[in-house]
Amino acid sequence: GAGVSQSPSNKVTEKGKDVELRCDPISGHTALYWYRQSLGQGLEFLIYFQGNSAPDKSGLPSDRFSAERTGGSVSTLTIQRTQQEDSAVYLCASSFDRGQGNTIYFGEGSWLTVV
Amino acid sequence: AQSVTQLGSHVSVSEGALVLLRCNYSSSVPPYLFWYVQYPNQGLQLLLKYTSAATLVKGINGFEAEFKKSETSFHLTKPSAHMSDAAEYFCAVSDLTGRRALTFGSGTRLQVQP
Repeated sequence: GAGVSQSPSNKVTEKGKDVELRCDPISGHTALYWYRQSLGQGLEFLIYFQGNSAPDKSGLPSDRFSAERTGGSVSTLTIQRTQQEDSAVYLCASSFDRGQGNTIYFGEGSWLTVV
Repeated sequence: AQSVTQLGSHVSVSEGALVLLRCNYSSSVPPYLFWYVQYPNQGLQLLLKYTSAATLVKGINGFEAEFKKSETSFHLTKPSAHMSDAAEYFCAVSDLTGRRALTFGSGTRLQVQP
């Protein structure tokens, strides 16, 4: 498709389980971002990938969170040993990396519920 | 670090009335500023952006915003609200670090009354 694609759209998991969320960015976009949107917490930056550079992981809330981007395209966000406070919408976004005014395009998100 | 503040977590207007959503930014250098809209159960969609060209920026769906450096503001307006404008609106500033990620405000939920 033409937009940022995320899967699954909804995921319910038991506390303590690991989950993987997938993001397929817009073709040709070299920058990829993960954000978390929690009720009452707004939009929180998690991690940023740019081409082959080392990712900026400064927003990851704990070492239970990790992400990788294979081949400069698809990205997977992994949450290990999930906790109830991990329940949120995880948004992926991508952009051309041509200056700081470039538009960032968002997917529809993966809604994670930890029970 | 740059930041944005959105005044008013909820705004309610009547259909046909003026929409004004407030955003103030904090930056030591000229920022890039954005407004995004999020409809229920959807991702974020860009409404408009300021990239140091014209200070009055026109966006989609009849929205516009004016960059005022003296007031460090980037308020979003629409002359006449429509029921379909009901959504959550986020102001964002572009980070000056290498990652070029966006820093978002806390959002304003717009309700449009018939």
